Amino acid sequence: AQKVTQAQTEISVVEKEDVTLDCVYETRDTTYYLFWYKQPPSGELVFLIRRNSFDEQNEISGRYSWNFQKSTSSFNFTITASQVVDSAVYFCALMGNTDKLIFGTGTRLQVFP
Amino acid sequence: GAVVSQHPSWVICKSGTSVKIECRSLDFQATTMFWYRQFPKQSLMLMATSNEGSKATYEQGVEKDKFLINHASLTLSTLTVTSAHPEDSSFYICSAARGSHGELFFGEGSRLTVL
Repeated sequence: AQKVTQAQTEISVVEKEDVTLDCVYETRDTTYYLFWYKQPPSGELVFLIRRNSFDEQNEISGRYSWNFQKSTSSFNFTITASQVVDSAVYFCALMGNTDKLIFGTGTRLQVFP
Repeated sequence: GAVVSQHPSWVICKSGTSVKIECRSLDFQATTMFWYRQFPKQSLMLMATSNEGSKATYEQGVEKDKFLINHASLTLSTLTVTSAHPEDSSFYICSAARGSHGELFFGEGSRLTVL
């Protein structure tokens, strides 16, 4: 069975704070992909990153960074110097041997000015 | 980049009517498309996998007679909510797979409200 757990339901921070969104996954597949999506109030899903299971290198893209650790089955997402525009629901997702994407329950991030 | 378009973006209908939602891949061919449903403040739940030229594969608990899926061409999949009721009100999102290796593109979503 595949499962994605985002234990943080909601996080509130003040602008310029750093914030980390946790994601823990479960899968028996040896090859899989991990994703992060942002969903603003408008509803559309904004793709942030895709990482395959063989690439454990951390990645940085501007204020965003991701920490993938297979040993703990985690794929955490950090926003540095958060901004009000970062307010949204963030979903971590897992894809195994099929193209089915299994989503976590999401973390609602609120960034206050 | 690749674009997947959904239509309509939002629809309001009376209880008992049927509603069709289209999902189109605009610049690539998609053998496989997926339909998700999202209730307010909840996650996206996979409803079914739509395969071009064959029957859709539904997830457990999803009524295939209620949610008709047709994938008649490599660029179009449709979801028809038959005899819609207020509990069918939700946000429906499609995604299209381009090739393999996890390349998925999502539509903008369709918000259905059944009165």
